[in-house]
Amino acid sequence: GQNIDQPTEMTATEGAIVQINCTYQTSGFNGLFWYQQHAGEAPTFLSYNVLDGLEEKGRFSSFLSRSKGYSYLLLKELQMKDSASYLCAVMDSNYQLIWGAGTKLIIKP
Amino acid sequence: GAVVSQHPSWVICKSGTSVKIECRSLDFQATTMFWYRQFPKQSLMLMATSNEGSKATYEQGVEKDKFLINHASLTLSTLTVTSAHPEDSSFYICSARGGDAGETQYFGPGTRLLVL
Repeated sequence: GQNIDQPTEMTATEGAIVQINCTYQTSGFNGLFWYQQHAGEAPTFLSYNVLDGLEEKGRFSSFLSRSKGYSYLLLKELQMKDSASYLCAVMDSNYQLIWGAGTKLIIKP
Repeated sequence: GAVVSQHPSWVICKSGTSVKIECRSLDFQATTMFWYRQFPKQSLMLMATSNEGSKATYEQGVEKDKFLINHASLTLSTLTVTSAHPEDSSFYICSARGGDAGETQYFGPGTRLLVL
C-alpha cells in the first residue's frame, strides 16, 4: 500500500529552527509537496521537490532523498505565525497526490 | 499567479436543501480540479477528481448522486451537495492544477457548510 509518515505534533521556540520529517512508500514518484495549513483555513503551497537535494525559499527549505523515500521541511527563525499544520504529499505514478496526516507545529515564545 | 477562488465562503442552510459551491482558477487553465472535505481537527479527505469535459472520479465511499460535480470549463468546477443533512456540515475545499500551474495543486480558500 501507499503510505506517508510524518510526526503528529512538534513544539519549537520562537526564533529557533525546526525540521519536520516525512517518509513515504508509494507506487511511483512524481514529486513531493509541502503545504502549510493554518487552523480553519485551506492549505497553501510551500514547496515542490522532484530531484534529490535541498530547495531553499526564504526561511523555508525542503530536502528530498528519493533513494531513502525521505524528505524534510526546515523552518528557520521561527515566528509565532508559523504555528500551523504542515502537510507532506507525494505524487504517485498516476499523478495522484497521496497525503500525509500532517504535523501540527506549536511555536512557543 | 496560480490563484483559486471559491464561492461562497460560508453557507448555512436547512436540512433537505441543495447547496452549490463554485471553484474557479483565476489566472490559469485548470485541466484537473479536486474536491476535498475536512472535518474539525481531521485530515483532508479527497472526495473526487474532475477533468474538464469529463465525468468526475469519486473516491470510495463518496456518493456521486449526493455530491454532484460539474467541470464545464477550464476555469470552473462546481460541487452541489444535494438534499443536505446535518452530517454534511463540513469544510469543503477545492484545488486545481494544470496549465501554467503545472503539477502543483493550488487550493481555494474553502467553503464552510452548516446544515441545520
